[in-house]
Amino acid sequence: GEDVEQSLFLSVREGDSSVINCTYTDSSSTYLYWYKQEPGAGLQLLTYIFSNMDMKQDQRLTVLLNKKDKHLSLRIADTQTGDSAIYFCAERFDNQAGTALIFGKGTTLSVSS
Amino acid sequence: EAQVTQNPRYLITVTGKKLTVTCSQNMNHEYMSWYRQDPGLGLRQIYYSMNVEVTDKGDVPEGYKVSRKEKRNFPLILESPSPNQTSLYFCASRQYNEQFFGPGTRLTVL
Repeated sequence: GEDVEQSLFLSVREGDSSVINCTYTDSSSTYLYWYKQEPGAGLQLLTYIFSNMDMKQDQRLTVLLNKKDKHLSLRIADTQTGDSAIYFCAERFDNQAGTALIFGKGTTLSVSS
Repeated sequence: EAQVTQNPRYLITVTGKKLTVTCSQNMNHEYMSWYRQDPGLGLRQIYYSMNVEVTDKGDVPEGYKVSRKEKRNFPLILESPSPNQTSLYFCASRQYNEQFFGPGTRLTVL
């Protein structure tokens, strides 16, 4: 079945770049998403990439997609303490039964000053 | 303001006492869904709805019911809650490529 894997923890220093990695199994994914969840809060959509794109940049965020290896990454430039949160990767796929989003377990990003 | 709202935000209840968590969106989205989030398990989809009167099971539907009588509302019903349904629940709605989440409902079943 479909599966999304992420490393559980990442620790960086303020000002450094953070790279959060994700692998997925379903090659028919149409979109891949990154969500951010701050403590005690809901999930906030950060960015998404269409499956036929290689890269998408949005201010400090860069998403890289290697479709051949089914690998997705989120790079946060100049990481700030406010970036400390859990980051979820999700893949969307569509089939006859409908559409679904499959989430990874989340990567906890800890930013130290 | 475009948003997904859930009520209540926090609920402590006892085993077997029926409860409903409401979800409402003001974006006229057709697709809505419910997830539960548990430590070490990430987000798992409970039910989803492609449109009014159309609902389907997600990955973990046992013990839950939903209804979609109107486009904006998608309540989650626990007919007989059990302690293993203690979790953080998120409602979401989606149109095209963007899915928006509610703030979450933390449910404790004693």
